[in-house]
Amino acid sequence: QKEVEQDPGPLSVPEGAIVSLNCTYSNSAFQYFMWYRQYSRKGPELLMYTYSSGNKEDGRFTAQVDKSSKYISLFIRDSQPSDSATYLCAMSAQGGSEKLVFGKGTKLTVNP
Amino acid sequence: ETGVTQTPRHLVMGMTNKKSLKCEQHLGHNAMYWYKQSAKKPLELMFVYSLEERVENNSVPSRFSPECPNSSHLFLHLHTLQPEDSALYLCASSQSRAPTNEQFFGPGTRLTVL
Repeated sequence: QKEVEQDPGPLSVPEGAIVSLNCTYSNSAFQYFMWYRQYSRKGPELLMYTYSSGNKEDGRFTAQVDKSSKYISLFIRDSQPSDSATYLCAMSAQGGSEKLVFGKGTKLTVNP
Repeated sequence: ETGVTQTPRHLVMGMTNKKSLKCEQHLGHNAMYWYKQSAKKPLELMFVYSLEERVENNSVPSRFSPECPNSSHLFLHLHTLQPEDSALYLCASSQSRAPTNEQFFGPGTRLTVL
């Protein structure tokens, strides 16, 4: 079993839809959870960061972590064409940043 | 220039060539990283430098050779590469190696090995 599983998609939705992106993981020691967004021909940029379990909201974006199920989610409300990108989940346990483990990324297209 | 810059943005090389990728960060960070991003695969960490000392080498083939002359610059020297090495090579930096520190990525170098 891979440490982090993420459905690569692609996922295509109409503008205004609610988008749900998910990752599952196997390492129960993970406690730092991140979502990166990567536009075409650009490097990833940090979108959301959550420590341990719970929810975090930032504008139209909500990150959820369920450690009991080893499952994390990113919700995008009122999706916009500018949200079209690849979304990568990433997570790590204690230790250095070199321990960060990424998912494969989900390619999202929001159609106007 | 701001953030993390990488040159060249695109590189095509033959298997017998020697080339180098360059990364520069303008953020005053102390840690720098090389990642490989291949289609349908997760980002793979190749090398980490912290305060110019190599911290980790994730069993990367010796045809990839990193160099970190100072905390702002990072190079990846390439020689006798294979076609399967074709990928997007991303450089990143962070304030330190603490897992809570955000990694800032450059735009990457798209490498094609013929």
